[in-house]
Amino acid sequence: NAGVTQTPKFQVLKTGQSMTLQCAQDMNHEYMSWYRQDPGMGLRLIHYSVGAGITDQGEVPNGYNVSRSTTEDFPLRLLSAAPSQTSVYFCASSTNRGNEKLFFGSGTQLSVL
Amino acid sequence: TQLLEQSPQFLSIQEGENLTVYCNSSSVFSSLQWYRQEPGEGPVLLVTVVTGGEVKKLKRLTFQFGDARKDSSLHITAAQPGDTGLYLCADYDYKLSFGAGTTVTVRA
Repeated sequence: NAGVTQTPKFQVLKTGQSMTLQCAQDMNHEYMSWYRQDPGMGLRLIHYSVGAGITDQGEVPNGYNVSRSTTEDFPLRLLSAAPSQTSVYFCASSTNRGNEKLFFGSGTQLSVL
Repeated sequence: TQLLEQSPQFLSIQEGENLTVYCNSSSVFSSLQWYRQEPGEGPVLLVTVVTGGEVKKLKRLTFQFGDARKDSSLHITAAQPGDTGLYLCADYDYKLSFGAGTTVTVRA
């Protein structure tokens, strides 16, 4: 019963460094997405994917890259970290049919100094 | 761009009291979902409502969807410390758009 697994749980970066946040799901879900959560702003969609090989931008995509080579994995790459990217990042997945339940990972807390 | 406003932003009550939180949209909801998020965890879906005027109950939680499908409320009866968390409403239109949430604290 792993569900959606995110690693790492915590990360501290220096400005300009790059890193990849990992996300894996074992529910054979077609739809996967990345959100960032900032105080007072709710969750904002960064990128999403409706299946392997297909990705698209969400509300706040700048500074982030994604790829979807397999159904299970959907990594989020920060190309050159900036303090404005300090946030809590959540990966989520669903079966990609209407009104479906979105399953979230437990999040990655990222600080960029 | 749809705007989802939740109120109040914070709510602190004593165990056993009732509470209501609200969610209002600048446009008609496609499909409204309520989530609860506990500290250090991701949001967990509580309910999905689709039809205007719909009322759903989940144990001590009652969800109402406005007739015009632009507003919703979540009422908790006899709140317990386990109800503490961030309550988020979201519009599901293929992708989810979230409100900023209401932080509920239930004191023992």
